Amino acid sequence: QKEVEQNSGPLSVPEGAIASLNCTYSDRGSQSFFWYRQYSGKSPELIMFIYSNGDKEDGRFTAQLNKASQYVSLLIRDSQPSDSATYLCAVLNTGGFKTIFGAGTRLFVKA
Amino acid sequence: GAGVSQSPRYKVAKRGQDVALRCDPISGHVSLFWYQQALGQGPEFLTYFQNEAQLDKSGLPSDRFFAERPEGSVSTLKIQRTQQEDSAVYLCASRYGETQYFGPGTRLLVL
Repeated sequence: QKEVEQNSGPLSVPEGAIASLNCTYSDRGSQSFFWYRQYSGKSPELIMFIYSNGDKEDGRFTAQLNKASQYVSLLIRDSQPSDSATYLCAVLNTGGFKTIFGAGTRLFVKA
Repeated sequence: GAGVSQSPRYKVAKRGQDVALRCDPISGHVSLFWYQQALGQGPEFLTYFQNEAQLDKSGLPSDRFFAERPEGSVSTLKIQRTQQEDSAVYLCASRYGETQYFGPGTRLLVL
């Protein structure tokens, strides 16, 4: 079992729809969770981080965390073609400095 | 500088050649990370520095890989006797708080 698992996709949604991206992790002691966006040929950039169970909203993005189920998700509302990218889920390990990334989910938003 | 810089951006090496990859973190960031990203995968942790101290090198694939950060700022990742399986993008990131800022990466191709 990989430490951080994501569906590789591609996930295809029409413009204006909600895109839902999911991630599970194995280290039950993990405390911090991140979503990065990576455009093709570019480096990852942080979208959001979340520490506490529940939802965290930032503009069109909502991160959801359920530590009991070891599950993190990212919702993108009113998806735009410019949101087309690979979304990486990342988890800070119990030690507090080593970040483990998932393989990423490719998202396509069709105009 | 405005962000993390890396050089060279592209490197083609013949199998068996030694290479050195440079990272200039954001000024004042004490934490520095190196990652290896293969095509279609997420970044894989290689090593972590806090100032000049290398606190974790558990992700280095073999003893051909060596990293240093002698003065706590610029870091160099050296790969000796390169192999074809070393072909990947090497990402450097510096961290402030919970946010990691990635450089543009060095794309290494070993022929």
